[in-house]
Amino acid sequence: ETGVTQTPRHLVMGMTNKKSLKCEQHLGHNAMYWYKQSAKKPLELMFVYSLEERVENNSVPSRFSPECPNSSHLFLHLHTLQPEDSALYLCASSQGVGRFYEQYFGPGTRLTVT
Amino acid sequence: GNSVTQMEGPVTLSEEAFLTINCTYTATGYPSLFWYVQYPGEGLQLLLKATKADDKGSNKGFEATYRKETTSFHLEKGSVQVSDSAVYFCALSDNRNQFYFGTGTSLTVIP
Repeated sequence: ETGVTQTPRHLVMGMTNKKSLKCEQHLGHNAMYWYKQSAKKPLELMFVYSLEERVENNSVPSRFSPECPNSSHLFLHLHTLQPEDSALYLCASSQGVGRFYEQYFGPGTRLTVT
Repeated sequence: GNSVTQMEGPVTLSEEAFLTINCTYTATGYPSLFWYVQYPGEGLQLLLKATKADDKGSNKGFEATYRKETTSFHLEKGSVQVSDSAVYFCALSDNRNQFYFGTGTSLTVIP
C-alpha cells in the first residue's frame, strides 16, 4: 500500500537542528493528520488539517510546526527538539473529518533526538 | 473525556487458536469504533470498523461488535495464522475531529 508516503523514514537530529518531515497522500483525500507514537503509550494526535485549514492543534509544543500547502502534502517542521521527542511520527489521511471516516496511515518517520 | 482501554500484551498463541483482544471505551455521544493493525516497520492499516451500536465489523476472518451497553468492541478471530502476528490497536472517533487510540496489543502466533 503506497497511498500515503513519508520521508525520511529515519532521522537523527541534534537538539539545536532544524529539520522537516514530509508526508504525501495519493488517495485524493481532503484531511491529513500528524500523530506521535511512543513506546507503551497510545498514539497521540498532534494536528488535523481539513482542506488545508488546521482544524485541531492538540496542545503540541511550538517546537513542532505543521504546514499543509495543499490537500496532498503535509509537513512537520522541527526545531530545538528535546530527547523526549524521539518517537515514530505517523502521517495519516482521510476522505473527510468526523467519525465516519477511517484514516490511512503512512509508514512513519523514526525520529531520534540526540 | 473520551478514551480507549485495551488489554495489555503481549499475547502469544499457537496457530489455529482462538483470539480475543478486549477493548472498552469511554465516550460522550455516538462514536465510531475501529481496529487497526500494525505490522513491523509499517504504518497502521484499518482492519475493521463499526459506526453504530450493534454493528459488526469484519475483515480477513476478524470480527468485532459495537456493544453500547458494555461500551466494548472486542476483536475476535476463530483461527489465527502466523501471518496475523502484529500489533493491534483499538480506536474511537468522535464528531469533534478527534481520534483516540489504545496502547496496542502485540500478538505473536507460533507454528
